[in-house]
This record gives sequence, C-alpha cells and structure tokens, in this order.
Amino acid sequence: QVQLVESGGGVVQPGGSLRLSCAASGFSFSTYAMHWVRQAPGKGLEWVAFISYDGSNKYYADSVKGRFIISRDNSRNALYLQMNSLRTEDTSLYYCARDWGSSGWFAPWGQGTLVTVSS
Amino acid sequence: EIVLTQSPATLSLSPGERATLSCRASQSVSSYLAWYQQKPGQAPRILIYDAFNRAPGIPARFSGSGSGTDFTLTISSLEPEDFAVYYCQQRSNWLFTFGPGTKVDIK
Repeated sequence: QVQLVESGGGVVQPGGSLRLSCAASGFSFSTYAMHWVRQAPGKGLEWVAFISYDGSNKYYADSVKGRFIISRDNSRNALYLQMNSLRTEDTSLYYCARDWGSSGWFAPWGQGTLVTVSS
Repeated sequence: EIVLTQSPATLSLSPGERATLSCRASQSVSSYLAWYQQKPGQAPRILIYDAFNRAPGIPARFSGSGSGTDFTLTISSLEPEDFAVYYCQQRSNWLFTFGPGTKVDIK
C-alpha cells in the first residue's frame, strides 16, 4: 500500500539547519508531485512547499521562502526538505504528502516528523 | 493570498445528529476546494475534493457542496468516529492554503 515515512526531525537552535527526508513506497513515486505541510503544536495546518514530479517546478509558502529548499531523488523514492535559518516559529510537526493526481490535493500523508527550534 | 475562514470554530453535537460545517474563501476558488479530517495523534485524510467529490473509501454520509467563495461540508448522521477536526483547503496559482479548522466534539 502507499506509504510515506518522514525522518530527520529533532531539536535545533535558532539559526540552525536541519534536513528532513520522506521515504515513499507502494506507488510510482517519480510520477507524482509532492508537498511538505506542517502543523505547530495544537495549531492548524500550514502548507510549506511543493515540488513537481520531476523536480523542475518548486513553490514555497512566503513564511519559508529563501530559507527552505524542497528536493527529491526519484532513484531513491525520496523527498527532502532542507531547512536553514530556523526560527522558533518553525517548530512544528512536518508532514510529507503526495499530490493526488496532479490536482493540488494531499493524499495520503505521512505520520510526520517533529522539529523543535529552541535555545 | 486566498484566505479561508471556517465556522463555527467548535460544533458540539450528539451521535446521530447532522453536522454542517462552513468554509468561506476571501476570493473565488471556483470548485477547487477540499475537506480533510484529522483525529488526535493522526495525520489528516482527505474526505472531499473539487468541492463535492468524495474521496475513495469515504462513507456516503459525508457530502460537500458550494462553489466560488462559500462551501459546506455536511455529515448527515454523526458516527462516534466522526468526532474530529475538519479543515478546508484551496489551491490557486501554486499556492495552497488551509482554513483554521472546525472541531466537532461530543455534546
């Protein structure tokens, strides 16, 4: 079945960097666009970044533009999020999600990896 | 950026009752709206896409309606497993936004 497993979260100081990974299985990863979505503790959902199936197009939320980089390795069925210049407000559970049928809808989602930015 | 607002913030109902959740967009999103359900400790799952299409495996008691700026998610008769938070989401010009959510809890 379709599975997305995030990893790489942890505790990092403000200004630091972290790289998240998302391992995909159970579907043809190279034919699907992907997203990162985050959720601060006790808060709602915030879309973070999008990457097209071949990596040629990338879009970011204004809140992370210039600091985060989304990428993918289709040979490894892997999605990444490089997070630089981290701020306390980046503290969240980060989900990867498949773009369902090039539609802009998110399905399915992984279980998330927690990033805590704190001194 | 298109802003989505959801009302009410919390809906307290009993099992078997009908739930009506509202999502309003700051400008027209045509029919490009989806609804998600999130239970505590779980990732969201898609319920409705393109305003009124049920995602595979979603029970028929869930229905979506609306277009333009005003949308509704209706749960015809609440089951115990339906008590959760519901988010609407739009896609426009490669920017994606979620509403703040409506919590449906047990009265």
